[in-house]
Amino acid sequence: GQQVMQIPQYQHVQEGEDFTTYCNSSTTLSNIQWYKQRPGGHPVFLIQLVKSGEVKKQKRLTFQFGEAKKNSSLHITATQTTDVGTYFCAVNSALNSGYALNFGKGTSLLVTP
Amino acid sequence: NAGVTQTPKFQVLKTGQSMTLQCAQDMNHNSMYWYRQDPGMGLRLIYYSASEGTTDKGEVPNGYNVSRLNKREFSLRLESAAPSQTSVYFCASSVPQETQYFGPGTRLLVL
Repeated sequence: GQQVMQIPQYQHVQEGEDFTTYCNSSTTLSNIQWYKQRPGGHPVFLIQLVKSGEVKKQKRLTFQFGEAKKNSSLHITATQTTDVGTYFCAVNSALNSGYALNFGKGTSLLVTP
Repeated sequence: NAGVTQTPKFQVLKTGQSMTLQCAQDMNHNSMYWYRQDPGMGLRLIYYSASEGTTDKGEVPNGYNVSRLNKREFSLRLESAAPSQTSVYFCASSVPQETQYFGPGTRLLVL
């Protein structure tokens, strides 16, 4: 199935600094999803991107899907301590009887006040 | 509307013991999934069920079995637990290719 590489693995920022995580694929993706997992919690869906060049915003979070649909990014402006957690990208992968998500290894964000 | 529920929340097993992790969803989703999460490895798919009566292996199925009991419930069984199965297990459900909704997880330690 389709695989994605996610970088960086870890990021430590001061509160107020910006943060970006990147997701890259060697093949063209039909769509990409982003999830956030707080420490000790479970992954929670943030957004799905479908169109080439798509840009979506959720308050301080900006999501982009590359023109070639092979990469995506999540950018957080002016981080806050509530942004702490691990951010995963995920892509649909065909199985014998349907589809399941392949997750990147995630980027763990630590925000220091 | 509880979403996805999992039991138990925590479990400690000895090597060779068996156990079943339970998962239920009340969102009328056809698709259900079991993942394991290990440090630095992200989420890896163990098994998947597209509908009642069907199951499919994921990336790491060895040492596990699953049962899709009905549309709501999807259980994961460890027949003979090994220390390598120490992990956090998440169940999820979805409409095919759409948002996945995760349960709170089961933290399993195998000694």
